[in-house]
Amino acid sequence: DQQVKQNSPSLSVQEGRISILNCDYTNSMFDYFLWYKKYPAEGPTFLISISSIKDKNEDGRFTVFLNKSAKHLSLHIVPSQPGDSAVYFCAAKERGSNSGYALNFGKGTSLLVTP
Amino acid sequence: ETGVTQTPRHLVMGMTNKKSLKCEQHLGHNAMYWYKQSAKKPLELMFVYNFKEQTENNSVPSRFSPECPNSSHLFLHLHTLQPEDSALYLCASSQPAYHEQFFGPGTRLTVL
Repeated sequence: DQQVKQNSPSLSVQEGRISILNCDYTNSMFDYFLWYKKYPAEGPTFLISISSIKDKNEDGRFTVFLNKSAKHLSLHIVPSQPGDSAVYFCAAKERGSNSGYALNFGKGTSLLVTP
Repeated sequence: ETGVTQTPRHLVMGMTNKKSLKCEQHLGHNAMYWYKQSAKKPLELMFVYNFKEQTENNSVPSRFSPECPNSSHLFLHLHTLQPEDSALYLCASSQPAYHEQFFGPGTRLTVL
């Protein structure tokens, strides 16, 4: 059973506007969440993360919001740029794992930013 | 070379072949991972090595055999694979106490 869900397989946004990518999870033991970005023919690249003790983390144009009560997180990209077009994966780590741990991934959302 | 490298990038093999995938990380990390990404599925963890010791085997069939000779190198030995094993195989590494895993570009495997 999938514990990390990205229910929107694709999203199209105009350049300069805000992109909002959503992720839901079911496991209350998750304590750390990450977003990865993947271009075709490349491996996923780490983008931004958030600990479960926070509800927001910001890095330049990227902000991740965490709503623990709803078991929901979102990635905001503003302003969106054509180079942001990629597949975005949400991932989560379970509490208690330290060295050498599993990340649970969602299926990904394909973002297209149009000029 | 920097980051995580994987060879070969593409591999086509028959069901009776034996081949190996190689991963090398130049980041000084102590943990290494193999993931499988099939079409329309999330990344699935296969194996975890922590300080060269296998700490997790995620119910992977024995036709996949990992090897970690040192903290910088990870292999995935393949034998008698099935067509449904065709997928993108990704290697990753991480440093203890840090949660981010860094991925290689992957090997696109096709089993005929």
